[in-house]
Amino acid sequence: KAGVTQTPRYLIKTRGQQVTLSCSPISGHRSVSWYQQTPGQGLQFLFEYFSETQRNKGNFPGRFSGRQFSNSRSEMNVSTLELGDSALYLCASSLWGGRETQYFGPGTRLLVL
Amino acid sequence: TQLLEQSPQFLSIQEGENLTVYCNSSSVFSSLQWYRQEPGEGPVLLVTVVTGGEVKKLKRLTFQFGDARKDSSLHITAAQPGDTGLYLCAGDGAGTASKLTFGTGTRLQVTL
Repeated sequence: KAGVTQTPRYLIKTRGQQVTLSCSPISGHRSVSWYQQTPGQGLQFLFEYFSETQRNKGNFPGRFSGRQFSNSRSEMNVSTLELGDSALYLCASSLWGGRETQYFGPGTRLLVL
Repeated sequence: TQLLEQSPQFLSIQEGENLTVYCNSSSVFSSLQWYRQEPGEGPVLLVTVVTGGEVKKLKRLTFQFGDARKDSSLHITAAQPGDTGLYLCAGDGAGTASKLTFGTGTRLQVTL
């Protein structure tokens, strides 16, 4: 079974731009969670989608948004990029969410200049 | 806000040595997970502990969940270079493992 895939793997943007990251979960998984990883703050939960609905949300500003499609693929969007948004963005999938094991993708490394 | 503090932050040891990584919180967690992350990859789950006082072994790795479910430890016996990586603990305090609170991380380097 293919693992979680994320595209693109690397991205460079400038302040004020917006960016869209994509995550394809493991086949059959319906829950997709997104995390931001930075050296200073570590790994922080952004949001979780299940069956095209946002089920959980972390403490991030409204510039961070996401969506999930009927095939469980998910995208996250960051608008009006700030320097502090430079990070590794990870997505993780599981069958149903809840207490199940999450499987992480390799991440998208975003650099904002 | 639930916080998980890990110690030490960095650890550089030689092959064959033993080490222990600690994960502490003032909050109670329903379960606690340990992950290892290698450069350029996402975290990979090593173990989940659920019951207070639980001890789980994975080859040379021993994981323990505190009796009060507020802390955990990871002990590695006879470390090998392949153990090198970032070790993360993560707590499931909201009743859902899809919204994990991650620890600050311990970066381990094992040299020959």
